[in-house]
Amino acid sequence: KNQVEQSPQSLIILEGKNCTLQCNYTVSPFSNLRWYKQDTGRGPVSLTIMTFSENTKSNGRYTATLDADTKQSSLHITASQLSDSASYICVFLRGGATNKLIFGTGTLLAVQP
Amino acid sequence: DVKVTQSSRYLVKRTGEKVFLECVQDMDHENMFWYRQDPGLGLRLIYFSYDVKMKEKGDIPEGYSVSREKKERFSLILESASTNQTSMYLCASRPMGRETGELFFGEGSRLTVL
Repeated sequence: KNQVEQSPQSLIILEGKNCTLQCNYTVSPFSNLRWYKQDTGRGPVSLTIMTFSENTKSNGRYTATLDADTKQSSLHITASQLSDSASYICVFLRGGATNKLIFGTGTLLAVQP
Repeated sequence: DVKVTQSSRYLVKRTGEKVFLECVQDMDHENMFWYRQDPGLGLRLIYFSYDVKMKEKGDIPEGYSVSREKKERFSLILESASTNQTSMYLCASRPMGRETGELFFGEGSRLTVL
């Protein structure tokens, strides 16, 4: 079973609307959680980073949240733009000696005019 | 600006051919990684290297080998390509030391094996 599950797998929204992407996890312990944005045909780029003790982190129109009780992280995109069309991947840095990264399978977002 | 360059964006090879994927980073990072990315499976780690001439197997090393002769260059080798190796291959690097887990990725190499 995957330790990180993302939902939905894909999403279509209209330009200007808000959306929320979910990441459910069982990774424990972890040092931090990153959300990456991957444009089509490009490599992923880090958007936000949160440590296990943080609840929220913003980067412009992107806001990531972390709820340790429900083991969920969300990425909220405000006032979407066409350039937000991409895949969004949550990635955990497992705690301990291994420093292993655990990747979600991603959510593909399409923003339509 | 941070730069990870993968030599080939698109390749088409035939079953049984030897395939080299090259990756160069200009950030003097110690750690380098090769991942493959497939729909519904996300990124899976093939091999990584934390120093010149050092290599470690990732989660799916079968059918692949790597070479790290210089700090800036990390090559992925498919000795005998098979159709199930058709995929997007992503190279990444990160510095040693304070571990934040941020990876710097190349643009990817999309390999099709016929």
